[in-house]
Amino acid sequence: QVVQSGGEVKKPGASVKVSCKTSGYPFNNFGISWVRQAPGQGPEWMGWISGYNGNTNYAQRLQGRVTMTTDTSTSTAYMELRSLRSDDTAVYYCARYDPEIHSSTFWGQGTLVTVSS
Amino acid sequence: QTVVTQEPSLTVSPGGTVILTCASSAGAVTRGNFPNWFQQKPGQAPRALIYSTSGRHSWTPDRFSGSLLGGKAALTLSGVQPEDEADYYCLLYYGGDQLGVFGGGTKMTVL
Repeated sequence: QVVQSGGEVKKPGASVKVSCKTSGYPFNNFGISWVRQAPGQGPEWMGWISGYNGNTNYAQRLQGRVTMTTDTSTSTAYMELRSLRSDDTAVYYCARYDPEIHSSTFWGQGTLVTVSS
Repeated sequence: QTVVTQEPSLTVSPGGTVILTCASSAGAVTRGNFPNWFQQKPGQAPRALIYSTSGRHSWTPDRFSGSLLGGKAALTLSGVQPEDEADYYCLLYYGGDQLGVFGGGTKMTVL
């Protein structure tokens, strides 16, 4: 199971941190991928983090603004996005990622982040 | 920035067969791009259907199959059901860091 934190409203220039709590599987055997979807648009791949060693791979266009972390003691992953702009308004999803088969399999319910002044 | 292109929309009759494709601006799609396919219905999170070109998840109906076709990734739906009406997205991975890029999606209508 993958359960995300609740919706957020932020002002431009602020930061947001979304959590993704997992259960029912060994956290360090898989990674967590993050995907966002702006209203009426297709998904955008943001990156993923290894649950084993915390290694990350980020989409180039988000490099420098995004940080993905994990807390293995609580099987929770986090995604922080800084310097928010209005076009960061989107539903943010996390999913269990299996790097062996390159598959984001079990998805959270999504977290709506609204950036508005 | 690599662009991944899908048909914007397709219409298929119930019981019919349809092929959705996924092309890369970087050249031919190969197994090394580990093509994934997702189905998304309104108000829902994407649901994984196919991984690594042709791998099916335990919940993926047999009528969905993935392949490579003419330099593109392809998703074939055989015996389309009304409940298959949805948006379909492909995801390709690139480079040693295996960075992902989604296609723009195909809106499939069953009519």
